[in-house]
Amino acid sequence: GQQLNQSPQSMFIQEGEDVSMNCTSSSIFNTWLWYKQDPGEGPVLLIALYKAGELTSNGRLTAQFGITRKDSFLNISASIPSDVGIYFCAGHLRNTGKLIFGQGTTLQVKP
Amino acid sequence: DGGITQSPKYLFRKEGQNVTLSCEQNLNHDAMYWYRQDPGQGLRLIYYSQIVNDFQKGDIAEGYSVSREKKESFPLTVTSAQKNPTAFYLCASSLFGQGGTEAFFGQGTRLTVV
Repeated sequence: GQQLNQSPQSMFIQEGEDVSMNCTSSSIFNTWLWYKQDPGEGPVLLIALYKAGELTSNGRLTAQFGITRKDSFLNISASIPSDVGIYFCAGHLRNTGKLIFGQGTTLQVKP
Repeated sequence: DGGITQSPKYLFRKEGQNVTLSCEQNLNHDAMYWYRQDPGQGLRLIYYSQIVNDFQKGDIAEGYSVSREKKESFPLTVTSAQKNPTAFYLCASSLFGQGGTEAFFGQGTRLTVV
């Protein structure tokens, strides 16, 4: 099926550092969504993007919907220990109802 | 409170038995989705439904079945034909199917087949 390529696969950073992760695809998306998942829990929505070029912030998080509608990135500024978790990108595929996910980025933050 | 509820949180079954996972939402969402997550992996789409009485196969539908008789409910049956059913199953819902809006998840059901 269609794929979202998410990178990096994992990151181990120092508290206070900024983090950047991205997703790319060969398909076009109507919506890009970014989620955080804690162990054993369902993913929690962080940011939703609806328009090409859109840049949206949620506290220390900033995400952008790529101009081509085929990519998106998420930045986390000044990381803190509670940012630890798995971050997923997801997109609603154009002209279908499918919502597909990237493979996830595992973030570890060293105090 | 509005939300999406999956039950049970943990489920154990013997090999060869069918098992049905429940997913209910009171968000008045049109679309509902089922995903499977294996350890250290991303979410893979099993089935999705945009309206009542209609659903489509996702990327890994073999060995699974669903129904959408009510807007609020989208149960998933893991059949004996599923070769490796032990996994974490997640249900989600969103307001519109094709247009795409925010999707929200339940807490998941961890299925273990022994």
